[in-house]
Amino acid sequence: GDSVTQMEGPVTLSEEAFLTINCTYTATGYPSLFWYVQYPGEGLQLLLKATKADDKGSNKGFEATYRKETTSFHLEKGSVQVSDSAVYFCALSRDSSYKLIFGSGTRLLVRP
Amino acid sequence: GAVVSQHPSWVICKSGTSVKIECRSLDFQATTMFWYRQFPKQSLMLMATSNEGSKATYEQGVEKDKFLINHASLTLSTLTVTSAHPEDSSFYICSAWTSGYSYNEQFFGPGTRLTVL
Repeated sequence: GDSVTQMEGPVTLSEEAFLTINCTYTATGYPSLFWYVQYPGEGLQLLLKATKADDKGSNKGFEATYRKETTSFHLEKGSVQVSDSAVYFCALSRDSSYKLIFGSGTRLLVRP
Repeated sequence: GAVVSQHPSWVICKSGTSVKIECRSLDFQATTMFWYRQFPKQSLMLMATSNEGSKATYEQGVEKDKFLINHASLTLSTLTVTSAHPEDSSFYICSAWTSGYSYNEQFFGPGTRLTVL
């Protein structure tokens, strides 16, 4: 069945460091891919998404590119801030489906 | 906009009792609401989908008689864990969808942590 695998956390970085959180998926066909972020005490929020191969989703300085050949959707940010500290979830869904299949989440801690 | 709340944020109960968790869409009408369960260090797993005014659709392996879902209005869905046992202890998260957004863009509540003693 469909699945999403994320790197285990926590990931601890200093402010202004480069961030990569790896995400790979297993699915037949062409799913849509998402990154959600959960700040402390809040619900998951959609950070970015990509719906077809080679698409790049971007938001708030974060980027992720849909790589069909490597079945990956790695999240990157060039310079993290303390306010980026949160849990990040990679997810996929199939076309015409409401079902979101999530990875296990990666906690990011950014230190001043 | 598109805020979803959950109540309570945490609850502790004795084994054998029932617990009700509320999920509300605060500033929009939610055509569809979803309930997820999350175990520590694991993904969110979809438990069921509910549409206002109709019976919930449960995912395979989820006991519908244990996890009762009611979606009585366009702004409120409730999850009742009946005869709770320690293995039901988990983090329960709801989300809501409304027309006007893409089919897979859901708005999530902050979650409810249930501990069954």
